[in-house]
Amino acid sequence: EVQLVESGGGLVEPGGSLRLSCAASGFTFTDYSMNWVRQAPGKGLEWVSSISSSTTYIYYSDSVKGRFTISRDNAKSSLYLQMNSLRAEDTAVYYCAKRGYSSEWWLDDWGQGTLVTVSS
Amino acid sequence: QSVLTQPPSASGTPGQRVTISCSGSSSNIGSNVVNWFQQLPGTAPKLLIYYNNRRPSGVPDRFSGSKSGTSASLAITGLRSDDEADYYCAAWDDSLNAGLFGGGTKLTVL
Repeated sequence: EVQLVESGGGLVEPGGSLRLSCAASGFTFTDYSMNWVRQAPGKGLEWVSSISSSTTYIYYSDSVKGRFTISRDNAKSSLYLQMNSLRAEDTAVYYCAKRGYSSEWWLDDWGQGTLVTVSS
Repeated sequence: QSVLTQPPSASGTPGQRVTISCSGSSSNIGSNVVNWFQQLPGTAPKLLIYYNNRRPSGVPDRFSGSKSGTSASLAITGLRSDDEADYYCAAWDDSLNAGLFGGGTKLTVL
C-alpha cells in the first residue's frame, strides 16, 4: 500500500523559512516523479512543484519560483520542500503527491497534508 | 483565477446524472491528458479519473470522463448523497511547464 506522510508544517512569521518532508513507502520511490500541491484555507488546489525521479527535471509555479526549492533523497525515499521568504499567501495545507508511472501527468497517490501558517 | 475553468457549483438529486465541465487551451487540455480529483470534506484529494477517461481501481463506473479539443467533462450517474464533494480537473501545461488545476466545482446532492 502506498503511503505518503508529510511533516514539518507549522506557524512561521512572514519572511521566515520552513522545510517540509514527505516520507514515502509502499512503492519503488526511485521510479516516480513527485509533486507538491497546496490548498489555502477554503480555496482550491494549486500545483506548487515537481521533481523527476532522477532530479533531472524540476519545475515550479510562478508563485513560488525563486523562493521554494524541491529536492529528494532516493536513498531515504523522501521528498522535501524548502520554503524561504514565506508570505501570508503561502498559508495552506501542503500535499505531497506521487505522479503516475507514465510520460503523461497525473497524481495517483496523495498524503494527508501538513498545514503551514504564515503569520506574525 | 485558474487557467482551467470549471463551474463553481453543480447539483442534482439522488439517482440523477450530473456533468461538470473543464475548459482549457491548446497548451494544456489540447495537448495533454486530463485528470479529475474528488475531495470529500476535510480529506485529501483522491484521483477519480486519469488519462481523460480511465478509472483507478476501486472507482465505480458511475464516474466517467471525456475530452474533446480543449475541453473535458466529468459525468456522474446514479448520483448518491456521498458524492457530495469538491471536484477538480487537472492537466499539465506545456507552455508554462506547470501543473494546472481547475478552480473546483462543489457538487451538492439535493
